[in-house]
Amino acid sequence: AQSVTQLGSHVSVSEGALVLLRCNYSSSVPPYLFWYVQYPNQGLQLLLKYTSAATLVKGINGFEAEFKKSETSFHLTKPSAHMSDAAEYFCAVSFTGANSKLTFGKGITLSVRP
Amino acid sequence: DVKVTQSSRYLVKRTGEKVFLECVQDMDHENMFWYRQDPGLGLRLIYFSYDVKMKEKGDIPEGYSVSREKKERFSLILESASTNQTSMYLCASSLDRVETQYFGPGTRLLVL
Repeated sequence: AQSVTQLGSHVSVSEGALVLLRCNYSSSVPPYLFWYVQYPNQGLQLLLKYTSAATLVKGINGFEAEFKKSETSFHLTKPSAHMSDAAEYFCAVSFTGANSKLTFGKGITLSVRP
Repeated sequence: DVKVTQSSRYLVKRTGEKVFLECVQDMDHENMFWYRQDPGLGLRLIYFSYDVKMKEKGDIPEGYSVSREKKERFSLILESASTNQTSMYLCASSLDRVETQYFGPGTRLLVL
């Protein structure tokens, strides 16, 4: 069975600082990996996704993530945080196959201090 | 742009009432999904549908049912609402079961 682990529930950074949100997955077959963002009172929107092409994936709003098979990780980074990045971030995994579905992590809230 | 709309942003219902949550997508997607979102629990899949009139149970289907009579519309039904169904409900659609899901804005349901 596939699963996603997002350690911690809250990360706080200063404006301009590096953002690092961690995601580890387990999957018995090559995974598809996603990061979604949810701004207050809104649905989720896709930030980026990995589907077995380049291991470094660039997304919207300056975010990127690197797929590391040896570490079973897909951490999300942004070099310089902006106040508008404050939101909840979800990592998710799926895989190809008849019984596949998207499995979400519990989410992590990012706060950005002025 | 894919657009997924949900019939209500906020709903207040009484215990025992029958509740309908409607979701419509405009991109001819085969797959549609209903999730509930609770603090500290992330998103949990209630039901999904991969074709008209087809449905499959997700991780937490108890107390819910769904209907998909048309490709663009997927309804979630709470047969007899209970206070533990107070939650944020999110609808999503996708072209392929493993591909990007597009989400609606959510319905925040309060059951009193």
